[in-house]
Amino acid sequence: GQNIDQPTEMTATEGAIVQINCTYQTSGFNGLFWYQQHAGEAPTFLSYNVLDGLEEKGRFSSFLSRSKGYSYLLLKELQMKDSASYLCAVMDSNYQLIWGAGTKLIIKP
Amino acid sequence: GAVVSQHPSWVICKSGTSVKIECRSLDFQATTMFWYRQFPKQSLMLMATSNEGSKATYEQGVEKDKFLINHASLTLSTLTVTSAHPEDSSFYICSARDPDSDTQYFGPGTRLTVL
Repeated sequence: GQNIDQPTEMTATEGAIVQINCTYQTSGFNGLFWYQQHAGEAPTFLSYNVLDGLEEKGRFSSFLSRSKGYSYLLLKELQMKDSASYLCAVMDSNYQLIWGAGTKLIIKP
Repeated sequence: GAVVSQHPSWVICKSGTSVKIECRSLDFQATTMFWYRQFPKQSLMLMATSNEGSKATYEQGVEKDKFLINHASLTLSTLTVTSAHPEDSSFYICSARDPDSDTQYFGPGTRLTVL
């Protein structure tokens, strides 16, 4: 079967760094997405990785290793507004999205 | 395994025809389902919130007469794109909220191409 695993919840301190991991097993691979979702809002696009390596975009970076079926989202200089759920999704060989259940990130002052 | 399914996965249709997309929650009863539209590498745009047994709530700018939503049961919501045009070509994603866990689960998406 196809599945995406990510931690259910993480807690971090304002100003610190946090890494949210995502492992996947899918039928084929056409890229991995990270989304941020605040409660009651639609998910917003953060990153898309299709090649191995690190993609940096401001305070957020996303890493992909296709051979390991592994990705992480790195958030630096955490702010209170970063408190949200972070969703990992993989597009399989049929261009269907396989979603992780999301990681709820709690930021403490 | 998947807890939300969509059917069909792909659909190609001619301009002017109507297309129905189904969204099913497989492991729970969803009183609320959501329909999104996504363009490549962009955020999901919420189109409407579908509540079982009542009318859907549409977001500003979404034509309710064009995008018909029916949430007839606790496990099924349908989105019908009426009189489809090429600009309606997009990736449509549904999600369902599990009321017990208050978790939102996303479907695999339906790729619509209007010729």
